[in-house]
Amino acid sequence: QVQLQESGPGLVKPSQTLSLTCTVSGGSISSGNYYWSWIRQPAGKGLEWIGRIYTSGSTNYNPSLKSRVSISADTSKNQFSLKLNSVTAADTAVYYCARVGYSSGWYEVDYWGQGTLVTVSS
Amino acid sequence: DIQMTQSPSSLSASVGDRVTITCRASQSIRTNLNWYQQKPRKAPKLLIYAASTLQSGVPSRFSGSGFGTDFTLTISSLQPEDFATYYCQQTYSIPWTFGLGTKVE
Repeated sequence: QVQLQESGPGLVKPSQTLSLTCTVSGGSISSGNYYWSWIRQPAGKGLEWIGRIYTSGSTNYNPSLKSRVSISADTSKNQFSLKLNSVTAADTAVYYCARVGYSSGWYEVDYWGQGTLVTVSS
Repeated sequence: DIQMTQSPSSLSASVGDRVTITCRASQSIRTNLNWYQQKPRKAPKLLIYAASTLQSGVPSRFSGSGFGTDFTLTISSLQPEDFATYYCQQTYSIPWTFGLGTKVE
């Protein structure tokens, strides 16, 4: 059973960098036909896809965040990470890490972390 | 970006009711459409992928249909544990986008 767990500061000051790590257990992030993704959800609102990293290390980002976001992976620790620069209050949200299965042209987010609340405030 | 429009935004239903939620894409996404269920303070849970394929372990009262721009999620007989918010998601093109959700209460 794959499990994902987010970790990182729950409070970030405006203009600083939000950094989160997702630790994966029950499966390797460097094998299989999977992407590893970050998704966020402001309180009381819908879901926003942030970006993804493939087992090869290639990345794709939401253009709305592309200039500020970076996703990387550390296969030795079976972790992947999110960095979001120059944060504002609008970046306050619950951040989820997730596994995305891929087969025959279809993608689906089949495993999610429990989510971690990040608040941007001075 | 492909816009996903869900309707209704909320609905009131009773146990045993048949519930239908619709999702419309701003352009054709073929069958690259997923449905998720989210309960308060929990991560979303995958119900349906590829528009109509039931995720393993999901009860058969859930079903999905559609192609192109119009999709539906149907709960054939609503159970107490089904009161939640449901989201559609397109994975046809980057950025992947979600609908705003339908709250079943």
